[in-house]
Amino acid sequence: SAVISQKPSRDICQRGTSLTIQCQVDSQVTMMFWYRQQPGQSLTLIATANQGSEATYESGFVIDKFPISRPNLTFSTLTVSNMSPEDSSIYLCSVQPTWDSHRETQYFGPGTRLLVL
Amino acid sequence: AQSVSQHNHHVILSEAASLELGCNYSYGGTVNLFWYVQYPGQHLQLLLKYFSGDPLVKGIKGFEAEFIKSKFSFNLRKPSVQWSDTAEYFCAGGYNKLIFGAGTRLAVHP
Repeated sequence: SAVISQKPSRDICQRGTSLTIQCQVDSQVTMMFWYRQQPGQSLTLIATANQGSEATYESGFVIDKFPISRPNLTFSTLTVSNMSPEDSSIYLCSVQPTWDSHRETQYFGPGTRLLVL
Repeated sequence: AQSVSQHNHHVILSEAASLELGCNYSYGGTVNLFWYVQYPGQHLQLLLKYFSGDPLVKGIKGFEAEFIKSKFSFNLRKPSVQWSDTAEYFCAGGYNKLIFGAGTRLAVHP
């Protein structure tokens, strides 16, 4: 299976600052996604990271707040901008690897636990 | 609107008890359904998935799930749980964009 890593694994940030989270996969994947898991809640899709073009955001999420980059088929970043305590969550990337016969299967990274003070 | 709902938020079982966690979905089009598990301190792992074909799918660690189209359900089962099955279980569905249920926290007591 694909090895997915995220950096940082956790961080404590001050309000008003920004944090960039990296997601690296050890093999090429077709699709990459970013999710948020707020404390005690389930996962919510933030956006689909498109290689070579702008990300596709879900309702309630905007590019100014969560800019995303995907420069190649194995790497993506999510920035949480102008943070407030409400942004305290676990942020996860997921991928659809090319090796899975069911192309829509998603595999998740370990997550980045963010606390905003 | 598309949705995935899980009936049980917290389940407590003794070892060797049987497990069934409910999941219902509500959306049209292609039905792709998944169960993920998150063990304490670990990341989300795929337990099993259903895309088409045999409605009874088997996953890792002795888990299985049955897709019942008439009931819009995809319940997770295990005949005999172990202490190591203590985790949070998420049902999810969708095509590319996954919609997750609220999750079920399972505690298995020795």
